[in-house]
Amino acid sequence: QKEVEQNSGPLSVPEGAIASLNCTYSDRGSQSFFWYRQYSGKSPELIMSIYSNGDKEDGRFTAQLNKASQYVSLLIRDSQPSDSATYLCAVTRDTGRRALTFGSGTRLQVQP
Amino acid sequence: KAGVTQTPRYLIKTRGQQVTLSCSPISGHRSVSWYQQTPGQGLQFLFEYFSETQRNKGNFPGRFSGRQFSNSRSEMNVSTLELGDSALYLCASSLDQQGTLTDTQYFGPGTRLTVL
Repeated sequence: QKEVEQNSGPLSVPEGAIASLNCTYSDRGSQSFFWYRQYSGKSPELIMSIYSNGDKEDGRFTAQLNKASQYVSLLIRDSQPSDSATYLCAVTRDTGRRALTFGSGTRLQVQP
Repeated sequence: KAGVTQTPRYLIKTRGQQVTLSCSPISGHRSVSWYQQTPGQGLQFLFEYFSETQRNKGNFPGRFSGRQFSNSRSEMNVSTLELGDSALYLCASSLDQQGTLTDTQYFGPGTRLTVL
């Protein structure tokens, strides 16, 4: 079992729709959770971080964390073609929030 | 403020050689982490340096090593290169400010290493 699991996709949504990206993790000691976006040929870019159960909103993005279910998700509202990228879920049990363990990523395609 | 820089951006080596990659963190950032990204294994943590000391280490063989200098710049070295070492090597820096709840890791553009 992989430590961090994501559906590889591609997840295809029409422009303006909500994209829902999911991630499960196996280490119950995980403390911090991150969503990174990676465009093809580019390096990862942090979108959201979340540390406690519940929802965290930032613009069009909402991260949701459920530690009991070991589940973290990312919702993208009003999806735009520019959101088309691979979304990487990362977790760490390191209280310093380094030593990230990444999922394999979900490729999102937003159709104009 | 300049971002994380990595040199060289591209590198071609042959099996058995060694290679050194360099990373300059964002000014003021004290922690530098290294990751390997391959299509098969995805993004994997190599090691992290803080104050010239390795603070965390991933599950990679001893052929992979690194160091950090007093100005926080970091290098990683891979000895006796194997074909499977072909990958994008990413460096990430973070502020590591004591007492803060958040500590974002900012990634550099990466060094694409090809081993022939």
